[in-house]
Amino acid sequence: GQSLEQPSEVTAVEGAIVQINCTYQTSGFYGLSWYQQHDGGAPTFLSYNGLDGLEETGRFSSFLSRSDSYGYLLLQELQMKDSASYFCAVRVNTNAGKSTFGDGTTLTVKP
Amino acid sequence: DTEVTQTPKHLVMGMTNKKSLKCEQHMGHRAMYWYKQKAKKPPELMFVYSYEKLSINESVPSRFSPECPNSSLLNLHLHALQPEDSALYLCASSQVGTGSYEQYFGPGTRLTVT
Repeated sequence: GQSLEQPSEVTAVEGAIVQINCTYQTSGFYGLSWYQQHDGGAPTFLSYNGLDGLEETGRFSSFLSRSDSYGYLLLQELQMKDSASYFCAVRVNTNAGKSTFGDGTTLTVKP
Repeated sequence: DTEVTQTPKHLVMGMTNKKSLKCEQHMGHRAMYWYKQKAKKPPELMFVYSYEKLSINESVPSRFSPECPNSSLLNLHLHALQPEDSALYLCASSQVGTGSYEQYFGPGTRLTVT
């Protein structure tokens, strides 16, 4: 099976930088994805790491260390609209892209 | 078009009713998924279809019956549900193989079982 750990809540101020960590234990690890979900909305794909290192997409970056079973999502220049839940998701090695989601981190951005 | 649509948005049903949830995508994705999400919890995978064939069933009770009539449509047939089945039901789609890590989610159907 798979297990993922991420902090339940994070609070930061507008303009700041925040890092959301995710550690995982799984067999057949293929990659780590990050999704954002606003209250009442659907999850939206943010980033994916299949190899070690940093992936950058605008204000969001994601990092993976396969040897440490660890990844993080880095959000820069925080905006109020970034207040949402953030899920890391482990993809196991199947063609259909089966993913198991962590419990989620609720990010609150304050003015 | 990068949209996954789901109908209905809200559904209230009794424990003896039969209803269906519908999902549609026109992105040419050949993998489609059903997830269940309770409040303040992550999405939980229920079923995966790959090339219109059921490839994963996460030990879901038989009162949930998925169907994939073609590559664009995914249904979830509901029968004799329990109040604890009340949740947000999310449909998602993705490519198969390379690129399948990025799943596109629909807005969900909020189901209440009375």
